[in-house]
Amino acid sequence: KAGVTQTPRYLIKTRGQQVTLSCSPISGHRSVSWYQQTPGQGLQFLFEYFSETQRNKGNFPGRFSGRQFSNSRSEMNVSTLELGDSALYLCASNAGLAGGTDTQYFGPGTRLTVL
Amino acid sequence: AQSVTQLDSHVSVSEGTPVLLRCNYSSSYSPSLFWYVQHPNKGLQLLLKYTSAATLVKGINGFEAEFKKSETSFHLTKPSAHMSDAAEYFCVVSDRSSNTGKLIFGQGTTLQVKP
Repeated sequence: KAGVTQTPRYLIKTRGQQVTLSCSPISGHRSVSWYQQTPGQGLQFLFEYFSETQRNKGNFPGRFSGRQFSNSRSEMNVSTLELGDSALYLCASNAGLAGGTDTQYFGPGTRLTVL
Repeated sequence: AQSVTQLDSHVSVSEGTPVLLRCNYSSSYSPSLFWYVQHPNKGLQLLLKYTSAATLVKGINGFEAEFKKSETSFHLTKPSAHMSDAAEYFCVVSDRSSNTGKLIFGQGTTLQVKP
């Protein structure tokens, strides 16, 4: 089975721009979660989507948004980029049926640099 | 509320000697606990998970962890370190009874393996 894929792998943007990141989950997985990884804050939960609905959300400003399509692929969008948004953004997928006991499978991440 | 504390930010061992990475958790609910590893410029890989069955959990690559409820700990061990074990390790907690897969990460422990 193919793993979780994320595109693009690297992005460079300037302040004020917006960006869209994409995640394709493992085939058959219906849940996709997004995490932000920075040296200062570590790994933080952004949001989770299940069957095209947002099921949970972390403590991030409204500039961070996401969506999920009928084929379970997910996108996250960050508008009005700030320098502090520079991070590795990781996507994780799981079957979505066992909640907190499900194993999350992570993609390689998208490295976003905001100049 | 849930949280995870990894007691060491950096651990250095010699190849062939035991590895101990320490993790304490706090959870208002019955927790699921995980250890993930991240090699440089790679995504996160699951080493092992505890969800409520045996308290001693065996994972991949010779790693294991023991869930100790009385000590609220979930330390990761390996009898003999290999050079390829050098990486960042994350202790992770989730709410076992939740219907979402939200993960709470510790700050990570960098494992250095000396020849």
